Amino acid sequence: AQSVAQPEDQVNVAEGNPLTVKCTYSVSGNPYLFWYVQYPNRGLQFLLKYITGDNLVKGSYGFEAEFNKSQTSFHLKKPSALVSDSALYFCAVRGLYNQGGKLIFGQGTELSVKP
Amino acid sequence: EAQVTQNPRYLITVTGKKLTVTCSQNMNHEYMSWYRQDPGLGLRQIYYSMNVEVTDKGDVPEGYKVSRKEKRNFPLILESPSPNQTSLYFCASQGELGYTFGSGTRLTVV
Repeated sequence: AQSVAQPEDQVNVAEGNPLTVKCTYSVSGNPYLFWYVQYPNRGLQFLLKYITGDNLVKGSYGFEAEFNKSQTSFHLKKPSALVSDSALYFCAVRGLYNQGGKLIFGQGTELSVKP
Repeated sequence: EAQVTQNPRYLITVTGKKLTVTCSQNMNHEYMSWYRQDPGLGLRQIYYSMNVEVTDKGDVPEGYKVSRKEKRNFPLILESPSPNQTSLYFCASQGELGYTFGSGTRLTVV
């Protein structure tokens, strides 16, 4: 079965420090991987995606993610965290042959950046 | 501006009272879907539609209906809402460049 796991419910980081939000996946074949962010009382905003090519993907707001096929991981990173990065982050995967193009989401990680 | 519009944003209703959450997209996408978001569970797909008059169940379809009579609209119908359907709902539209989500509908069933 296809699945996505975000092992940390919450990540706490001091402003200016690097941050990592972890994601691992299980899917047949080569996956399409996504990161979304949800600010309080807002919808889902697209951050970045990996389809193919360079394993390091750069996205919005200074975020990047590294695709690691051997570890089946797609961790989200940012070199220097901002207080405004505090939000709920979702990793998602879509298998290439998955019926209907369904996105399978992780359970979400709450990122808290303190001044 | 390319967008997915959901209404209402907030809704409080009573058990058993039929309701409809509307979703409309202006990107001429064929594929649309509904998700519900619950704490600790992430987002789970309720129903999806690959084109007009083509709909199918997602992972958690019980208690929901959908229709796709025209390409731009994909309403979510709760014939007899129950408290376990209290959740945050998102409509999504998929095109070649990826997925666009609506702003969400927070539904409370009392």
